[in-house]
Amino acid sequence: KNEVEQSPQNLTAQEGEFITINCSYSVGISALHWLQQHPGGGIVSLFMLSSGKKKHGRLIATINIQEKHSSLHITASHPRDSAVYICAAGLLQGAQKLVFGQGTRLTINP
Amino acid sequence: SAVISQKPSRDICQRGTSLTIQCQVDSQVTMMFWYRQQPGQSLTLIATANQGSEATYESGFVIDKFPISRPNLTFSTLTVSNMSPEDSSIYLCSGYKGPFADTQYFGPGTRLTVL
Repeated sequence: KNEVEQSPQNLTAQEGEFITINCSYSVGISALHWLQQHPGGGIVSLFMLSSGKKKHGRLIATINIQEKHSSLHITASHPRDSAVYICAAGLLQGAQKLVFGQGTRLTINP
Repeated sequence: SAVISQKPSRDICQRGTSLTIQCQVDSQVTMMFWYRQQPGQSLTLIATANQGSEATYESGFVIDKFPISRPNLTFSTLTVSNMSPEDSSIYLCSGYKGPFADTQYFGPGTRLTVL
């Protein structure tokens, strides 16, 4: 079993839909990262959170430390949101070292 | 914030040769990391690039295969040595401003194909 598991692996939705991507982890963490990877390979850091909830524009990330679970939500999804979304656990020992989930490939159709 | 650039952005190399990838940050970062993403896989940490000393490698990665330099707080190189087709991957560097930073910054990646 991977230390960081994401679901779903693939998600296709229509423009405007509310999107939820889930991440569960089995290791002790100092923080949970959500990353976005576009087809060219480059990665953008969306959120780093250790408790509660963060919001940036149409993106919302939540984390439940007791349940070892995090979610990424996208409101009013748009085709430009199509990308691979990756959650990554910053470990307690060496917090900056990340263990990555396998990614969720999101496709938003117009 | 920090902006990270990598050179080259992509390359096609012959088996048995070596390639050096450069990572430049536009501001000082405390820590720099190198990751590999094999086709269809998630990212795996190769090593932590330490300024002025030997890199710290993760299990399964060795210095002879992936020598790393970090001469200062804004620059690092990763060399993929004696390449084989199994080394075909995207290689990414990242920087972290810690300890109170709220994000890790990633480079655009280098897409390597080994024939």
